[in-house]
Amino acid sequence: NAGVTQTPKFQVLKTGQSMTLQCAQDMNHNSMYWYRQDPGMGLRLIYYSASEGTTDKGEVPNGYNVSRLNKREFSLRLESAAPSQTSVYFCASKSREGYNEQFFGPGTRLTVL
Amino acid sequence: QKEVEQNSGPLSVPEGAIASLNCTYSDRGSQSFFWYRQYSGKSPELIMFIYSNGDKEDGRFTAQLNKASQYVSLLIRDSQPSDSATYLCAVNTGGFKTIFGAGTRLFVKA
Repeated sequence: NAGVTQTPKFQVLKTGQSMTLQCAQDMNHNSMYWYRQDPGMGLRLIYYSASEGTTDKGEVPNGYNVSRLNKREFSLRLESAAPSQTSVYFCASKSREGYNEQFFGPGTRLTVL
Repeated sequence: QKEVEQNSGPLSVPEGAIASLNCTYSDRGSQSFFWYRQYSGKSPELIMFIYSNGDKEDGRFTAQLNKASQYVSLLIRDSQPSDSATYLCAVNTGGFKTIFGAGTRLFVKA
């Protein structure tokens, strides 16, 4: 099992460009998450999907959109990138609400110039 | 007040010593508590979880939970240089969202 995979690993964008970050999990988990991590800020939730077909905003959703394509895949889109979106993005999945740990992908390091 | 607070560190301990990492949380309804370890440039990985008041031991790691004081801690015995990392405290209230602290950097000196 690959666990949680993310593509790309690194990306440099210019202000105003768009891109989609891809995430997939092969653990048959129901819920999936997108976080960003900035120095001194910890992990902040952007969007999550409790189950296939549903998505909800997290703490910092502005400037992002998501799609839960199927049970395996959850993508994050930046429509018009801004320098404030320079960050490390992690995708995670969890099998059920409440008690189970989250499994994280390797992350995408995004720089917006 | 942040929902999950941790001292950012760095916490520096000599090899073989006990490292004590602390975390406080604001939501009294919180039900499950996690400690993740994150090496520089890597993703977080779970090392301990605890649901009930008291201590939970796993090898060199002990998680301690005190719900009355809204406090959770992680003890690392016989600290090794390989334990040098950032440790993230995470709290779940029973729903789908988990709140993470900003992390404590631990440095174990050989």
